[in-house]
Amino acid sequence: DAGVIQSPRHEVTEMGQEVTLRCKPISGHNSLFWYRQTMMRGLELLIYFNNNVPIDDSGMPEDRFSAKMPNASFSTLKIQPSEPRDSAVYFCASSLTANSYGYTFGSGTRLTVV
Amino acid sequence: AQSVTQLDSHVSVSEGTPVLLRCNYSSSYSPSLFWYVQHPNKGLQLLLKYTSAATLVKGINGFEAEFKKSETSFHLTKPSAHMSDAAEYFCVVGGGSNYKLTFGKGTLLTVNP
Repeated sequence: DAGVIQSPRHEVTEMGQEVTLRCKPISGHNSLFWYRQTMMRGLELLIYFNNNVPIDDSGMPEDRFSAKMPNASFSTLKIQPSEPRDSAVYFCASSLTANSYGYTFGSGTRLTVV
Repeated sequence: AQSVTQLDSHVSVSEGTPVLLRCNYSSSYSPSLFWYVQHPNKGLQLLLKYTSAATLVKGINGFEAEFKKSETSFHLTKPSAHMSDAAEYFCVVGGGSNYKLTFGKGTLLTVNP
């Protein structure tokens, strides 16, 4: 198994532009999570999907952020418009069940908004 | 409710000496506990997990952790540090019907030659 695959690995964009981050979870995993990591705040859960349905989006910072999971093998996190304070590493993780038996993380997308 | 406290933000050891990374947790139910490692510019890798089986858990790369309920601790140890162990380590708590994993703030391990 190739693990959780995220793209792109790095993204540099100008303030105000739309950014789309992509994630392919491990086949058969029914839970998917998006996290953001910054020096100041550490790892923050943004949104959790179970069986492609958003269950908890309470961590999404504001309306500029949106996430979708159109099928079991693909999810996107979109920021529109982007701001410099969105600069962070965004991780996608998947899990076989939602009952906390550990997640498998992707390698992350390092986003820089200038 | 659940929380986790990593007692040291930075630990420095010499190569070949033991490693101890400390973690205390709080949980309203029987917890699942994990240690993850993050090497520079990499994703998080699961080192080991405790899910109510044996209290001494062995993980990858020679690491192990012991679940001590009376002390609410889950410290990570390794008998002999290697240069490749230099990374950031996260203690994580989850469990019950709560899908959320709660991450500690991390401990940066430096290994000196």
